[in-house]
Amino acid sequence: GAGVSQSPSNKVTEKGKDVELRCDPISGHTALYWYRQSLGQGLEFLIYFQGNSAPDKSGLPSDRFSAERTGGSVSTLTIQRTQQEDSAVYLCASSLVLAKNIQYFGAGTRLSVL
Amino acid sequence: KNEVEQSPQNLTAQEGEFITINCSYSVGISALHWLQQHPGGGIVSLFMLSSGKKKHGRLIATINIQEKHSSLHITASHPRDSAVYICAVPPYSGGSNYKLTFGKGTLLTVNP
Repeated sequence: GAGVSQSPSNKVTEKGKDVELRCDPISGHTALYWYRQSLGQGLEFLIYFQGNSAPDKSGLPSDRFSAERTGGSVSTLTIQRTQQEDSAVYLCASSLVLAKNIQYFGAGTRLSVL
Repeated sequence: KNEVEQSPQNLTAQEGEFITINCSYSVGISALHWLQQHPGGGIVSLFMLSSGKKKHGRLIATINIQEKHSSLHITASHPRDSAVYICAVPPYSGGSNYKLTFGKGTLLTVNP
């Protein structure tokens, strides 16, 4: 595609519900990253996928967060039993090769947990 | 974890002025990123640099690896440059370059 696509752009949910956020990276990009930007906070790294290697999940804030990448392309970030502190903008980025290329960011999903 | 500090936090300029935004970090790295986030939230990667200077249009980024410092300059600033500018660094030189630590950003407002 022309750029990194994320859906939905906005998601409002009730505390305790599960949500799924989708990221469709640029075609051919093997590296995919998820970040979170909370209100008043800087961006923080969540999880990283590179090709068929096991993902680096060390940035996930709790075991309620998980992510998968199917077929080396589309990725889904799942948050179970959402809490109000999960409210944030979730950003996805992709790049050709780890650390050698600029990351291209999606527009993000704004998650609001009521 | 690499600590990142940006200055200033907020910057207001008149159209045409030369802008400088600074970024300092605590642990030696191999490359540093500059990002631009517009009011709508979209993020664009401006530069990834490991030494010296890079230029793209009116934007210039410099880095001094020894001093652990980078600057982003905007020449002949324009209202459309109004955005948050963010620098980001990996945890250490040779470390996992995807585990970026981000600065809190500099909010730039350029008035016509």
